Amino acid sequence: DSGVTQTPKHLITATGQRVTLRCSPRSGDLSVYWYQQSLDQGLQFLIQYYNGEERAKGNILERFSAQQFPDLHSELNLSSLELGDSALYFCASSGRQGNTGELFFGEGSRLTVL
Amino acid sequence: ILNVEQSPQSLHVQEGDSTNFTCSFPSSNFYALHWYRWETAKSPEALFVMTLNGDEKKKGRISATLNTKEGYSYLYIKGSQPEDSATYLCAFLGNYGQNFVFGPGTRLSVLP
Repeated sequence: DSGVTQTPKHLITATGQRVTLRCSPRSGDLSVYWYQQSLDQGLQFLIQYYNGEERAKGNILERFSAQQFPDLHSELNLSSLELGDSALYFCASSGRQGNTGELFFGEGSRLTVL
Repeated sequence: ILNVEQSPQSLHVQEGDSTNFTCSFPSSNFYALHWYRWETAKSPEALFVMTLNGDEKKKGRISATLNTKEGYSYLYIKGSQPEDSATYLCAFLGNYGQNFVFGPGTRLSVLP
């Protein structure tokens, strides 16, 4: 158990809909990262938050947004969903900004868009 | 676009065989390299965090080396066991930003 909790584990929805994925980082970790893993693709970095502020942005679509709340949990909002958004979305946390320490991953949220 | 490559893409070995894989990354602006082990239906777990050129790390039968000047890292598994079957990911962190770039992984299957 990494200590990172993601909900929901599985989600099935239709094109055009909006979903919210939730992540609770490991206790004490200030950084939260979101990654997307599509079929036959590696882990693609979406966005990172540190202590409530956005710190780095990757290949995140404009239809996607995220935030980190004062209690450090994070939410990834995916809107106007398309079939290609079907993927496994991972959240990871780490201790400090700039730290080279390891990432602790949640179990992922599997999104299926029909 | 930052390119992190891993080879081979997949590998099948017999139980007891030793094996190794490669992670290639940009040789400039290096900050850290991580290795992760990702078992099916689970989440990636860190094996090694490597920061210095020439680093060698070991955990049981698994070890890793790092060459930042030429931009590669090797992961070695000695005497592979079926429980070593997993996808092994490397992740590169450059000193220009704070996000990790993952390689596509090497999928290892150890046959009993």
